[in-house]
Amino acid sequence: AQTVTQSQPEMSVQDAETVTLSCTYDTSENNYYLFWYKQPPSRQMILVIRQEAYKQQNATENRFSVNFQKAAKSFSLKISDSQLGDTAMYFCAFTAAGSYQLTFGKGTKLSVIP
Amino acid sequence: KAGVTQTPRYLIKTRGQQVTLSCSPISGHRSVSWYQQTPGQGLQFLFEYFSETQRNKGNFPGRFSGRQFSNSRSEMNVSTLELGDSALYLCASSLMWTENTEAFFGQGTRLTVV
Repeated sequence: AQTVTQSQPEMSVQDAETVTLSCTYDTSENNYYLFWYKQPPSRQMILVIRQEAYKQQNATENRFSVNFQKAAKSFSLKISDSQLGDTAMYFCAFTAAGSYQLTFGKGTKLSVIP
Repeated sequence: KAGVTQTPRYLIKTRGQQVTLSCSPISGHRSVSWYQQTPGQGLQFLFEYFSETQRNKGNFPGRFSGRQFSNSRSEMNVSTLELGDSALYLCASSLMWTENTEAFFGQGTRLTVV
């Protein structure tokens, strides 16, 4: 069974600053994918970024980037130039090849302070 | 194009009753997944359907069931409701559900059991 751990229940950051959200996971699978999802107060989950485990290069999407350390089973999210609209719950998620399901961490509540 | 539509948005039921929640995926999407979100347990996978077939099921009692219709719309049913079934139920659709395709989430149905 897979587990995903987010050790920071809450974080805050000043707007325009950079913040890093942590995520570790445990799996015996070799072929898997990792995701960061954002859930604003509207409750709709939105995919922020995706990382394939077989790719060594860290994924980047505009202001969002990840630090994927496969051996350490670590997958952190860095948000640069934080904006008020980044205020949300952030969930780290895992899926193994062929499993048809996402396993989520408990989430980190991020507040961007003006 | 229209996103994932979940109905109803809010629901209040009494213990012992049953409830049916509906999810209409994005047009053309054939995979529908359901998740339960609670403050204590976080996001937990319920089941996934593709072309009317359940391909995976989470660790939930048999009171939780689902189905998918030929137009890819999905319903989930919870019978003999318990207080602990109070939760946000999220539906996600994707084109095929492979690890490389994005899962799009609806805004959820907030179920309160009293």
